[in-house]
Amino acid sequence: GEDVEQSLFLSVREGDSSVINCTYTDSSSTYLYWYKQEPGAGLQLLTYIFSNMDMKQDQRLTVLLNKKDKHLSLRIADTQTGDSAIYFCAEMDSNYQLIWGAGTKLIIKP
Amino acid sequence: DVKVTQSSRYLVKRTGEKVFLECVQDMDHENMFWYRQDPGLGLRLIYFSYDVKMKEKGDIPEGYSVSREKKERFSLILESASTNQTSMYLCASQGARLLYEQYFGPGTRLTVT
Repeated sequence: GEDVEQSLFLSVREGDSSVINCTYTDSSSTYLYWYKQEPGAGLQLLTYIFSNMDMKQDQRLTVLLNKKDKHLSLRIADTQTGDSAIYFCAEMDSNYQLIWGAGTKLIIKP
Repeated sequence: DVKVTQSSRYLVKRTGEKVFLECVQDMDHENMFWYRQDPGLGLRLIYFSYDVKMKEKGDIPEGYSVSREKKERFSLILESASTNQTSMYLCASQGARLLYEQYFGPGTRLTVT
């Protein structure tokens, strides 16, 4: 079945760039998403990319999609303490359901 | 703004008790979902519903049931709570729109002792 994989932790220094990586298996995915979960809260959509795009930029966020390798990444420029959260990668399957990664916990070091 | 609310943020129940978790959305969304979230396992789908009175099993339905009597409300029921059901439970709703974004409630942290 479809699978989405991402590493569980990433630690970066405040002010540096964070790059969170994700791999997926369903080549027919139309949309791929990044959700953010702050401590004690539910998930919120952070950004998304259509499968016919290679890159999407939104202020400090850059999403890169490599369809050939089925690899998705989220880059956060100038990482701040407020970016501390768990970041989930998800792909939409052919039934319009989301297949979720395990989440990457972003830890910011001062 | 879409709003998804869950009946409790924290809940403590004893083994064997019947537990009801309620979720309400205000966007007239057709699809609603119940997930559980455990460290290192991400989100696992328990049940989902695509219409009133309709339900489908997700990946881990054992020990759970659901009810959708009204479009805006989706309930998760633990018939006889067990300690391995201690977890964070997240409800989400999804409309049939271009992006098919899922909107999440704040979660219910359930502890079964």
